[in-house]
Amino acid sequence: QLQLQESGPGLVKPWETLSLTCTVSGGSISSSSYYWGWIRQPPGKGLEWIGIIYYSGRFYCNPSLKSRVTMSVDTSKNQFSLMLTSVTAADTAVYYCARRSATSPNKIDYWGQGTLVTVSS
Amino acid sequence: QSALTQPPSASGSPGQSVTISCTGTISDVGGYNYVSWYQQHPGKAPKLMIYEVSERPSGVPDRFSGSKSGNTASLTVSGLQAGDEAHYYCSSYAGSNNVVFGGGTKLTVL
Repeated sequence: QLQLQESGPGLVKPWETLSLTCTVSGGSISSSSYYWGWIRQPPGKGLEWIGIIYYSGRFYCNPSLKSRVTMSVDTSKNQFSLMLTSVTAADTAVYYCARRSATSPNKIDYWGQGTLVTVSS
Repeated sequence: QSALTQPPSASGSPGQSVTISCTGTISDVGGYNYVSWYQQHPGKAPKLMIYEVSERPSGVPDRFSGSKSGNTASLTVSGLQAGDEAHYYCSSYAGSNNVVFGGGTKLTVL
């Protein structure tokens, strides 16, 4: 059974960089059949697409976040990561990592449990 | 890219059917047959219920069905059960490997 687990600091100071890692178990991140992505949800609000990355390292971001987002993948550790720079209180959210089909571009079928990141001094 | 429009709430009695709408534009819902629906219970991760407008992943009951007409997609839940009470989010592919979500609908089983 595929499992995804987010990890990283739960508290980040304003204008610093948020860094999260997603560890995948029960399946290979190097599969050509999937992309790996990030979605966030501010407390009490809806979901927001952040972006996805392929095992090759190529990634695609929400245009509204593009200037602040970097994604990377470490196939040797079966992990992928998110970096979001210059964070503000508006970036406070539960961050989910997830798996997306490579052939069906809106089929996100496995999600991590989510991790709350609070931006505060 | 703007969020898709969903009604904030919907409700129905056990055994009844309820339909939740999701309105976008020609750039997302209307332009692609890649609409998905997710169910989210409080404190839990979203769960994929429908993809490619009307396809159900393995394990999702056939009480859940999806459709699309023009720029509006719909999720219908038939034979409402207490466990169906949750937030439901639609999403659509919007080109260039981007996805846009709706604001969510809270479904209440009366």
